[in-house]
Amino acid sequence: EVQLVESGGGLIQPGGSLRLSCAASGFTVSNNYMTWVRQAPGKGLDWVSVIHTGGYTNYADSVKGRFTISRDDSKNTLYLQMNSVRAEDTAVYYCARVGSWTSYGIDVWGHGTTVTVAS
Amino acid sequence: EIVLTQSPGTLSLSPGERATLSCGASQSVSSSYLAWYQQKAGQAPRLLIYAASARATGIPDRFSGSGSGTDFTLTISRLEPEDFAVYYCQHYVSSRWTFGPGTKVEIK
Repeated sequence: EVQLVESGGGLIQPGGSLRLSCAASGFTVSNNYMTWVRQAPGKGLDWVSVIHTGGYTNYADSVKGRFTISRDDSKNTLYLQMNSVRAEDTAVYYCARVGSWTSYGIDVWGHGTTVTVAS
Repeated sequence: EIVLTQSPGTLSLSPGERATLSCGASQSVSSSYLAWYQQKAGQAPRLLIYAASARATGIPDRFSGSGSGTDFTLTISRLEPEDFAVYYCQHYVSSRWTFGPGTKVEIK
């Protein structure tokens, strides 16, 4: 079964750091574009970052320079390193797979992990 | 930067009725990279439609997508109880994904 399971969320103070993990099963992370999408409480979906099969990365302007996406191919796991976090980074963070045959539609989503930035 | 708008914000309908959801783009976009998602409360989004009109795996044929340029539509031909949810359109360009603000389809 194709599955993504996020972990690492929690309460963090403004300016702090946190690393989110996303363990994949049923497919190979490195063979797909992988992305993070977040959703602030009561709000819509907000794309955060992508990593391509070849390792190219891209970020939303709101997180560029603060967040880093990476993967560990040996563990089939995706990460999001969050530094210098702000209150506006409070959200559910979804790890997701960009489909190979869905014209860049995101076809597999994790259940999400909640990040709360507060003092 | 492309901005997506969705209308209406909320759609109040009864089971069995037809739902028509609109997604507008601030400039013409490729229909090849326009997708729709469904999100139920407390759940992750689910891909419904990609390339503006192609149904994702396992999506019932009561869901259909259409449109081009700046105007796109998601139609649910006959609402089932499980279809009451929030729907988002999304566009991809140059390794960036943009989502619309969503349309909530609620039970009337």
